[in-house]
Amino acid sequence: GAVVSQHPSRVICKSGTSVKIECRSLDFQATTMFWYRQFPKQSLMLMATSNEGSKATYEQGVEKDKFLINHASLTLSTLTVTSAHPEDSSFYICSASDVPVAFFGQGTRLTVV
Amino acid sequence: DAKTTQPPSMDCAEGRAANLPCNHSTISGNEYVYWYRQIHSQGPQYIIHGLKNNETNEMASLIITEDRKSSTLILPHATLRDTAVYYCIVRSRNQAGTALIFGKGTTLSVSS
Repeated sequence: GAVVSQHPSRVICKSGTSVKIECRSLDFQATTMFWYRQFPKQSLMLMATSNEGSKATYEQGVEKDKFLINHASLTLSTLTVTSAHPEDSSFYICSASDVPVAFFGQGTRLTVV
Repeated sequence: DAKTTQPPSMDCAEGRAANLPCNHSTISGNEYVYWYRQIHSQGPQYIIHGLKNNETNEMASLIITEDRKSSTLILPHATLRDTAVYYCIVRSRNQAGTALIFGKGTTLSVSS
């Protein structure tokens, strides 16, 4: 099946710094990608929809100034967690659709210390 | 999208078939049933999807009842590596470009 690659797989950063996570669709083009967050023992929660060439759409309660999304090409979306704090520690997952199937990246484990 | 109901957990012996049920009694005619699984600390993995006919691929079989109100994912010979959370999601093809919304899924534990 189609492949979505996410990088890095895990990152540890200091409180107050910013972290960038990349999501690439390797063998198909995606005008739309999605970012999810997952806390321990919980299901995936949709954070935002990344749109190529336009602004991202954020779910209610997700701060757009904290979670910056850039979708500069049809195969790459980036999520930047700005001024990270320990409560931002989570598992972040991206997704892209090769219609009619959605494929997911491997996930990024972010730990803010 | 129609709501789905799955048991929170199931156990299966290694080598036996794992049958995971999903109830989607409010499914509409143009909605597909999708199954994904998430192994610990990994992103969700696509398994299979179907509309009304039974489907089979190298990973699993999907059995959809004639009234389409429920379905069963079958892993014919479960292995320890099949231990994961399995998600049943219903979505119309028209929404294929929109985000999948995940419920709590079924935690399948395969033991030797």
